Amino acid sequence: DSGVTQTPKHLITATGQRVTLRCSPRSGDLSVYWYQQSLDQGLQFLIQYYNGEERAKGNILERFSAQQFPDLHSELNLSSLELGDSALYFCASSVTGEANSPLHFGNGTRLTVT
Amino acid sequence: DQQVKQNSPSLSVQEGRISILNCDYTNSMFDYFLWYKKYPAEGPTFLISISSIKDKNEDGRFTVFLNKSAKHLSLHIVPSQPGDSAVYFCAASSFMDSNYQLIWGAGTKLIIKP
Repeated sequence: DSGVTQTPKHLITATGQRVTLRCSPRSGDLSVYWYQQSLDQGLQFLIQYYNGEERAKGNILERFSAQQFPDLHSELNLSSLELGDSALYFCASSVTGEANSPLHFGNGTRLTVT
Repeated sequence: DQQVKQNSPSLSVQEGRISILNCDYTNSMFDYFLWYKKYPAEGPTFLISISSIKDKNEDGRFTVFLNKSAKHLSLHIVPSQPGDSAVYFCAASSFMDSNYQLIWGAGTKLIIKP
């Protein structure tokens, strides 16, 4: 158990809809990351937060947004969903957000857009 | 532009033998490298890391070797066990735009045959 909790585990929705994925980081970790993994591909970095502030942005679409709240949990909002957004979305957390601070991943949210 | 490449999508090894997973990178500014292991339906788990100032790091059955001149790193697992069957991701970190950026390979699926 990594200590990172993601909800829901599965989500099925229709094109054009909006969903929110939730992540609770490991206790003591200040940095939260969001990743997307499509169809057995590698992990695509979306966005990183550190102590409530956005720290880095990756390949995140404009239809997607995220935030980290004062209690350090994070939400990833996906809107105007398209079929191609179907993927596994992982949240990870780390203590400092620096290179030598390994990431601890949740078990992911599987999003299916129909 | 893939900065981190894992050229073998899959690898099959006999139980008890050595497993060698390879990773090549193109960016000489990478200063930290990490290996993660992923089982189906779970998030990746941190395995071992190495700083660019070292050429070897060992942790039990796992050893990571770094060859900076060749921009190549490898993960050795010896002896291989059935529980090692998983997807292995190589990731590299560099400090860019006032932040650490982690770039991931596409993963190698390791199958340990009994």
